[in-house]
Amino acid sequence: DAKTTQPTSMDCAEGRAANLPCNHSTISGNEYVYWYRQIHSQGPQYIIHGLKNNETNEMASLIITEDRKSSTLILPHATLRDTAVYYCIVRVAYSGGGADGLTFGKGTHLIIQP
Amino acid sequence: ETGVTQSPTHLIKTRGQQVTLRCSSQSGHNTVSWYQQALGQGPQFIFQYYREEENGRGNFPPRFSGLQFPNYSSELNVNALELDDSALYLCASSLGLASYEQYFGPGTRLTVT
Repeated sequence: DAKTTQPTSMDCAEGRAANLPCNHSTISGNEYVYWYRQIHSQGPQYIIHGLKNNETNEMASLIITEDRKSSTLILPHATLRDTAVYYCIVRVAYSGGGADGLTFGKGTHLIIQP
Repeated sequence: ETGVTQSPTHLIKTRGQQVTLRCSSQSGHNTVSWYQQALGQGPQFIFQYYREEENGRGNFPPRFSGLQFPNYSSELNVNALELDDSALYLCASSLGLASYEQYFGPGTRLTVT
C-alpha cells in the first residue's frame, strides 16, 4: 500500500519556485521523509530528507508540517533541467534486520516551462 | 554522475532464457540494492547485498538472484525470463546499511520477446 500521495503532474515557469506537495498521513514517529527525482533516461537522484525539522541543502528545501502528515519540496529557482519525476518516500532509518529498500510510488512529473 | 556504472545499457532476450546484469558501485560503497522499474512506474525493490550477503528482499520470486563480489561490484541474475520481466533494472550503492542516500546507476533496459 502506498504510504504517500502526490499529484500526478505539475507545471512551473522557469525561474519561479516549484512547490511539490506530498501527503503521508500515516507516517510513524520514526519514519523519515525522503525526496528523490528521476530525470528522463537516468537513475533516481537523492535530493533531501528530513524527520520533523525543515531542511535545506544546495538543491532544495523540505518543509514538513508540524503534525508530519504532509510535506513540501521547494526548488527555489526552477530551471529546465529540473524537469523530472519527483518521488516522495517515507521510511525508517535502518535499525537492524533485513533491508526493505526504498518504496517508490508513481511520483509527480514536474514540467518546467520556458 | 554518481560513479555507479551498469552494463549492458540495453539487452534483448527471449522468453525462457537467462540474463546477467552487472553493476559497479561507487568507490568505497559496500552496500548495493537492485530495483526493477516497469514503464510508467516507480522503481520496485528486488534485493540488497551488504558485504557479499543478501540482506533483504522485496516481493520477487527466487528466479531473481544476485551476487556481490569482494570489490563490491554485483550481478543480478534472472532465470526463465518472462515477458513481464521487460523493464529498466537499476542498481544503487550506498555506504553502509544506515546510509540515508542511495546512488543510482543509469540502469539496464531489458526487453524480453
